[in-house]
Amino acid sequence: KNEVEQSPQNLTAQEGEFITINCSYSVGISALHWLQQHPGGGIVSLFMLSSGKKKHGRLIATINIQEKHSSLHITASHPRDSAVYICAVQSNTGNQFYFGTGTSLTVIP
Amino acid sequence: NAGVTQTPKFRILKIGQSMTLQCAQDMNHNYMYWYRQDPGMGLKLIYYSVGAGITDKGEVPNGYNVSRSTTEDFPLRLELAAPSQTSVYFCACREGGVLTFGAGSRLTVL
Repeated sequence: KNEVEQSPQNLTAQEGEFITINCSYSVGISALHWLQQHPGGGIVSLFMLSSGKKKHGRLIATINIQEKHSSLHITASHPRDSAVYICAVQSNTGNQFYFGTGTSLTVIP
Repeated sequence: NAGVTQTPKFRILKIGQSMTLQCAQDMNHNYMYWYRQDPGMGLKLIYYSVGAGITDKGEVPNGYNVSRSTTEDFPLRLELAAPSQTSVYFCACREGGVLTFGAGSRLTVL
């Protein structure tokens, strides 16, 4: 069983739609991370959360520690948002990370 | 500011050959990691280091070795390459909670 589960695996949206990607985890964590991987393969960090909610531009990330669940929302989606979004949790010791398998998002103009 | 530099970007190996994937960071971060990414799977930790001279195994260390003689460099050595090591390899470093990844190295073992 994976420590981190993401849903959906694949998502296709029309430009402008509101998008939600979900992440559930089963281990104790010190923080949760949302990462973005573009078709070229590079991985960039979007958010690090330990509680509550964070917002960067059109991206919003929330976490519910009690329910061991996080969501990544994209408002007014755009084709340039097309990428794989990866949820990762940082262990209680802080040294290790566990990664979800990613959600592949395609935004159609 | 280059961040994390991985070389090579692509490599094809024959079964039984050896090679080293290089990783260098210029951010003076203590924590460094090597991951492999296989289709449909999450990133899996191969080895990590919490500082120069200190390394530890991750989830999938078999067939690999690492060293960390300096803060900047964290090379990953593949001995006796096997087809199961065909993957995309990512090096990362961490300061606080922020992970910074290299661009990845795609390795094919035939």
